[in-house]
Amino acid sequence: AQKITQTQPGMFVQEKEAVTLDCTYDTSDPSYGLFWYKQPSSGEMIFLIYQGSYDQQNATEGRYSLNFQKARKSANLVISASQLGDSAMYFCAMREGTGNTPLVFGKGTRLSVIA
Amino acid sequence: EPEVTQTPSHQVTQMGQEVILRCVPISNHLYFYWYRQILGQKVEFLVSFYNNEISEKSEIFDDQFSVERPDGSNFTLKIRSTKLEDSAMYFCASSKATDTTNYGYTFGSGTRLTVV
Repeated sequence: AQKITQTQPGMFVQEKEAVTLDCTYDTSDPSYGLFWYKQPSSGEMIFLIYQGSYDQQNATEGRYSLNFQKARKSANLVISASQLGDSAMYFCAMREGTGNTPLVFGKGTRLSVIA
Repeated sequence: EPEVTQTPSHQVTQMGQEVILRCVPISNHLYFYWYRQILGQKVEFLVSFYNNEISEKSEIFDDQFSVERPDGSNFTLKIRSTKLEDSAMYFCASSKATDTTNYGYTFGSGTRLTVV
């Protein structure tokens, strides 16, 4: 079974509008962390935002916020006021447990921002 | 801001040749990782390294691959006898945390390996 599911292979959004990128996860471990990364066409992985499983509040970083719904096992990324530079691949990832465990990534969503 | 440095940014090699991908993790980090991303696909874990030994590896990381920390700063991935399907972007990452917090989990900018 997929640990991380991103059901939107591609998304379009108008500049200055908000967009939500979906991510659901599967784990039986009560302790885990959820990450979102941006990958522009140049290829590097840029960390955007993190949510811990025990965090009481949804994470926010500037224009990025994470809509964490623990019971539904979803961790959607919300980008407000989209900019042309937001066009990229976006990956959701999870790290299970409390040790040095690797990240497991979803297949990604390609976001295109339209002027 | 501290960063993970990878060299080279792009490498082209003949099938059957050996390649070494280099990484300089952040200096106070203790855990090191290699990930691979075949073009257009998701990022996949290869191996993690701690205290001068492999702590975990995926099924992708077979005998063709090896990792080493030859000195106090470099962390290398060696691929022996490269195959066409080894063509991918290889990411190095490092972290300092032993719990589930993000703090300090940083990726390098990647090495794009092309096997011809």
